[in-house]
Amino acid sequence: GNSVTQMEGPVTLSEEAFLTINCTYTATGYPSLFWYVQYPGEGLQLLLKATKADDKGSNKGFEATYRKETTSFHLEKGSVQVSDSAVYFCALTPLPGNQFYFGTGTSLTVIP
Amino acid sequence: SQTIHQWPATLVQPVGSPLSLECTVEGTSNPNLYWYRQAAGRGLQLLFYSVGIGQISSEVPQNLSASRPQDRQFILSSKKLLLSDSGFYLCAWSVGSSGGNIQYFGAGTRLSVL
Repeated sequence: GNSVTQMEGPVTLSEEAFLTINCTYTATGYPSLFWYVQYPGEGLQLLLKATKADDKGSNKGFEATYRKETTSFHLEKGSVQVSDSAVYFCALTPLPGNQFYFGTGTSLTVIP
Repeated sequence: SQTIHQWPATLVQPVGSPLSLECTVEGTSNPNLYWYRQAAGRGLQLLFYSVGIGQISSEVPQNLSASRPQDRQFILSSKKLLLSDSGFYLCAWSVGSSGGNIQYFGAGTRLSVL
């Protein structure tokens, strides 16, 4: 089956600290992988994606690499800002397929 | 460009009252449509998804139902709300099934059942 396991939160970091949020997946076939971000009171926004092994998705200083050998898609950022405080969701969609499978979300708080 | 509209943004309803949440998508044809619920501090729970008009798949048996009367319209309903129906409801859309498809979300409806 398809599933996403995501690092438990909440995570609290100081501004300019390094961020890693772990995500591993189980999927049939070759899924596409995503990170979404949800700011308080809002819907989810796509942060980055990767569609095949060894692809690196990046956006706004965030990066994640599709690692087929370890079935992982960890989110990283070298220097977090207060404005990065949000909930982050790892997700996959199988190929072919039109369903999306989300992790439980990781809450990040960045303090000045 | 494509946009998704979801309303109302906030809703307070008494237990036992009916519910109707509406979601419409503009700028695309034959989208896949989804309803999710997010309880406070929790992840996303897929409630329904639809790949076409009149085609609804239910993921979780409960007192909610969904309908797709038009290609780009998706409605979430209930005849009698329960306290446990409180939460943040999100509508989303995507196109196709060939991989790499992005799911786009509406701004959500905060439902409080009292």
